[in-house]
Amino acid sequence: GENVEQHPSTLSVQEGDSAVIKCTYSDSASNYFPWYKQELGKGPQLIIDIRSNVGEKKDQRIAVTLNKTAKHFSLHITETQPEDSAVYFCAASINDYKLSFGAGTTVTVRA
Amino acid sequence: GAVVSQHPSRVICKSGTSVKIECRSLDFQATTMFWYRQFPKKSLMLMATSNEGSKATYEQGVEKDKFLINHASLTLSTLTVTSAHPEDSSFYICSARREAGGAKNIQYFGAGTRLSVL
Repeated sequence: GENVEQHPSTLSVQEGDSAVIKCTYSDSASNYFPWYKQELGKGPQLIIDIRSNVGEKKDQRIAVTLNKTAKHFSLHITETQPEDSAVYFCAASINDYKLSFGAGTTVTVRA
Repeated sequence: GAVVSQHPSRVICKSGTSVKIECRSLDFQATTMFWYRQFPKKSLMLMATSNEGSKATYEQGVEKDKFLINHASLTLSTLTVTSAHPEDSSFYICSARREAGGAKNIQYFGAGTRLSVL
């Protein structure tokens, strides 16, 4: 089955700096890679996703890159704000069906 | 955006009782919903895939008689934890797959249910 590894497990950044989270996947058939943000006691919220037919996608301060050859994808958050503090999960799936999640990254933005 | 409602948000029960958790897609129909379990500070672990009008598909190691899933309509899936025990205490989260055709299918998650079994 699919194995998704996520790094780092914790990330502390100064407000205004950038945050980068990296994930690797094992199944070359995976073609859908969403990122979710989870706040304490709540369910995950989709923040951005990318499909294997593109290498990069951007939505305001958030961007995701995908390297199919190396089987890794990354989340980039620019100009971080305190409200960006949360746990971020990457996931991979085939045809956006079953999602295999990474272990999560706890992001803390210091004011 | 699409909304998935999960109820109850928190439940405390005695050991041996059964607990039902509901997952509803509020503004779209979902032939497929998923149930996850999450331990503190851990990732989401897929328990089962709920298919409207047919039996759920369980992941390896998940007891189907323990975690009963019913997907009776295109907007509702329920998870019943039968004869709950303290080790079943966890955060249970559902998701609903919105099928928009082509490369537009997206999973939206409920807010989760915190189950505490005494």
